[in-house]
Amino acid sequence: GAGVSQSPSNKVTEKGKDVELRCDPISGHTALYWYRQSLGQGLEFLIYFQGNSAPDKSGLPSDRFSAERTGGSVSTLTIQRTQQEDSAVYLCASSSPGGASPLETQYFGPGTRLLVL
Amino acid sequence: KNQVEQSPQSLIILEGKNCTLQCNYTVSPFSNLRWYKQDTGRGPVSLTIMTFSENTKSNGRYTATLDADTKQSSLHITASQLSDSASYICVVSAGNAGNMLTFGGGTRLMVKP
Repeated sequence: GAGVSQSPSNKVTEKGKDVELRCDPISGHTALYWYRQSLGQGLEFLIYFQGNSAPDKSGLPSDRFSAERTGGSVSTLTIQRTQQEDSAVYLCASSSPGGASPLETQYFGPGTRLLVL
Repeated sequence: KNQVEQSPQSLIILEGKNCTLQCNYTVSPFSNLRWYKQDTGRGPVSLTIMTFSENTKSNGRYTATLDADTKQSSLHITASQLSDSASYICVVSAGNAGNMLTFGGGTRLMVKP
């Protein structure tokens, strides 16, 4: 497809388990963003990639969260030792070729709904 | 601390009516302001992007305004349709590269027939 895709669409896990979320950005998009949306809350910025590097990791809530991007394309967000407060929708977005200019439009994926029991 | 506040939190209007959503921000240095529409269960979709020098921008029935002096923005929806029912999110970018995004809590709009 032409849009941003994320997998899985839904994930239920037990507290303490590790989970890995995947994002496939639009082909050719160099910038990739991860966000979190908790129930009833606004979007929360997590991390931004330009190519394979992450110049801004300021939004990661704890050291249990990590993300990587390989080949300037697919990105994975890993949450170790999940906690119940990690339950949220995790959204990925990518932006147009040429990098993250101030006017780039971010295209969002459908999100992964994570539930930690 | 960078903050974006939206009002009202929720709004119910009748189909065909107009409405205006508000966004106030304290973000520095300001780069740009965006309005997104997010349908239930979907990712946000960009409606408008405005830089410091732009006062208004339209996208169909959506018109966004920006007052950089008072740090306020509004999103006006004209002749509302049932499909306008969604959350509308104001996002302000900070920093020279505009990569530091601060999100408002959103306004949940319901359009009734």
